[in-house]
Amino acid sequence: DQQVKQNSPSLSVQEGRISILNCDYTNSMFDYFLWYKKYPAEGPTFLISISSIKDKNEDGRFTVFLNKSAKHLSLHIVPSQPGDSAVYFCAASAGGSYIPTFGRGTSLIVHP
Amino acid sequence: DADVTQTPRNRITKTGKRIMLECSQTKGHDRMYWYRQDPGLGLRLIYYSFDVKDINKGEISDGYSVSRQAQAKFSLSLESAIPNQTALYFCATSERRDTQYFGPGTRLTVL
Repeated sequence: DQQVKQNSPSLSVQEGRISILNCDYTNSMFDYFLWYKKYPAEGPTFLISISSIKDKNEDGRFTVFLNKSAKHLSLHIVPSQPGDSAVYFCAASAGGSYIPTFGRGTSLIVHP
Repeated sequence: DADVTQTPRNRITKTGKRIMLECSQTKGHDRMYWYRQDPGLGLRLIYYSFDVKDINKGEISDGYSVSRQAQAKFSLSLESAIPNQTALYFCATSERRDTQYFGPGTRLTVL
C-alpha cells in the first residue's frame, strides 16, 4: 500500500507558466516532507522541504504548500523553465526517522 | 569531485552470478542508504546504515546484503543475481533529516 502517492505520472507545461505537482499521503505520522528532482543519468537532488508546523515554504521559483487536514502537498514552480524538465519525487518521513518514503515520481516537461 | 560516488556505473551480468555495487562518500555523513529505482515505482529502500556498526533492512532487502566497511563506504551485494533485480541502484548519504545526497546511480542488467 502506497503511503506517498503521486497520481500524475507526467505533466506538460509551457515555458513561463506555472507548474503544479501534487502529492498525497496516508500516514498521519508523517511530519516532514521533501521534494527531489532527478535528471536522466543522474541521482536525485534535494529541492525543497517543509515541516508539518508550516503550511508553506518558498525558495526562489519553488514553493511547497502543505495541507495537513487533506494530507496533501503540492510543489509550485513559477515561472517554469525548460531546465526544470525532470522527474520530481515527493518524500515524507515520520517523527525522528531519517528514512523517507518516496512517491513514484512525476515527469515534468516544460516546452519552450 | 563528486561527494557520493558509485562503481560501476553500468553492469551487465548473468543469472546466478554474485555482484557487488560500491558506494563511497566524502561528505563525512554517518548515515548511508541503498535504493532501487524501477520504472513507475519510484525509489524503494533496500538497506540503510546509521553508523559503521549499524545495518538495517529496508522495504525490499530480500536477495540483497550489505557491508559497511568504513564510515565512507557502503557496499551492496547480490549473492545470486536474478533478472527481476535489473534496475537502477542509488546510494545516498545524510547527516540531518532534511536532505539526502544521492550518488549518480548504477544501472544493473541481469540476463
